Amino acid sequence: EPEVTQTPSHQVTQMGQEVILRCVPISNHLYFYWYRQILGQKVEFLVSFYNNEISEKSEIFDDQFSVERPDGSNFTLKIRSTKLEDSAMYFCASSRDTFGDTQYFGPGTRLTVL
Amino acid sequence: DQQVKQNSPSLSVQEGRISILNCDYTNSMFDYFLWYKKYPAEGPTFLISISSIKDKNEDGRFTVFLNKSAKHLSLHIVPSQPGDSAVYFCAASGDTGNQFYFGTGTSLTVIP
Repeated sequence: EPEVTQTPSHQVTQMGQEVILRCVPISNHLYFYWYRQILGQKVEFLVSFYNNEISEKSEIFDDQFSVERPDGSNFTLKIRSTKLEDSAMYFCASSRDTFGDTQYFGPGTRLTVL
Repeated sequence: DQQVKQNSPSLSVQEGRISILNCDYTNSMFDYFLWYKKYPAEGPTFLISISSIKDKNEDGRFTVFLNKSAKHLSLHIVPSQPGDSAVYFCAASGDTGNQFYFGTGTSLTVIP
């Protein structure tokens, strides 16, 4: 069964450093998403992406964040200058369609900012 | 702004009995709802969905009920099994179509 994959599973970085989180969505899906979950809190939407551009983003997704689909398979989330409060689990998801289609999640990347 | 709420952080149920997980929402524009199950160190796994044109959807041991007037949905698992022990999130969308709003989750423990 096709699945969303994410690398790395755990990333440790120093505050102020740039990190890139990688995702490979399900191959016939067209919509891609990033969510995060700070430990003990709810899953929060960050951004959705379709047709090589951001279609929606939350207040969390400020200028420090960017997303890219550099090739036909990868979908990346970049955090330019990490802060302590960026420490969280970051989940990538994809869906075949939008407007309510089921989003399939990857296993997550745990980001620890020291 | 907690648009989706799961007021019970945890629930314990005996194996074989029914588990009922509840979820409330505030945005009347929501028209599509999902339940996800999450094991530790894994991403949320889709379980079952319901759209606002229905009030019930069933898939094996899992049934989701939607009460639009009360802005309430519930997930019933019957019979509950130890492997069902996980955190269950409800999520809702509809006003934008892209973004799902998640509840804070309910940790279900099924006791053998």
